[in-house]
Amino acid sequence: QVQLQQSGPGLVRPSQTLSLTCAISGDSVSRNGAAWNWIRQSPSRGLEWLGRTYYRSMWFHEYAASVKGRITINPDTSQSQFSLQLNSVTPDDTAVYYCVRGTSWSWGWYFDLWGRGTLVSVSS
Amino acid sequence: QSVLTQPPSVSGAPGQRVTISCTGSSSNIGAIYDVHWYQQFPGTAPKLLMYGSSNRPSGVPDRFSGSKSGTSASLAITGLQAEDEADYYCQSYDDGVSGYVFGTGTKVTVL
Repeated sequence: QVQLQQSGPGLVRPSQTLSLTCAISGDSVSRNGAAWNWIRQSPSRGLEWLGRTYYRSMWFHEYAASVKGRITINPDTSQSQFSLQLNSVTPDDTAVYYCVRGTSWSWGWYFDLWGRGTLVSVSS
Repeated sequence: QSVLTQPPSVSGAPGQRVTISCTGSSSNIGAIYDVHWYQQFPGTAPKLLMYGSSNRPSGVPDRFSGSKSGTSASLAITGLQAEDEADYYCQSYDDGVSGYVFGTGTKVTVL
């Protein structure tokens, strides 16, 4: 059974870096046809796609404009996992963060496997 | 702010049919991009309910159906059941923001 297991702190201080890891079981971070995403959800922003990484002969990284410059998503092929780093956080980054598998469709991608979510609060 | 607009809530009695609209624009649904739908229960992660506008993943009951026309899409639930009470979100890709976007979400209440 394919699963995504998230880990990371639930509290981050303002201006610090939010770091989360997503361990993949039953699939591969470098499998063709899959992309590995981070999506967050908050009452003020709703569901918000943050970015993704995927492998097509080489690694690609794509990020949402709203967080570009602050975000890094990296794969770790040795442990079949991927990570999220979000720098210079503010209370507006408080949200439930999900790691999510994306599957390619004819025109676009859909999100077919979600981690359980990690509530990350940004507070001093 | 979401670029895909949904009604905040819809409701119906058990057995009735309800529809949820998802209104976009020429940079997302009205372009070449597909629409996908997710169901979310309180305190849990969203779950894929429909992909490619009208395709159900394995295990999704056939009382759920979807369609897309122009710059909008819709999700229909026929034969509404108590277990369908949840939040529903549409999702697509948007050329304007160069990223994946979600709808504002609709709460379905079974009366």
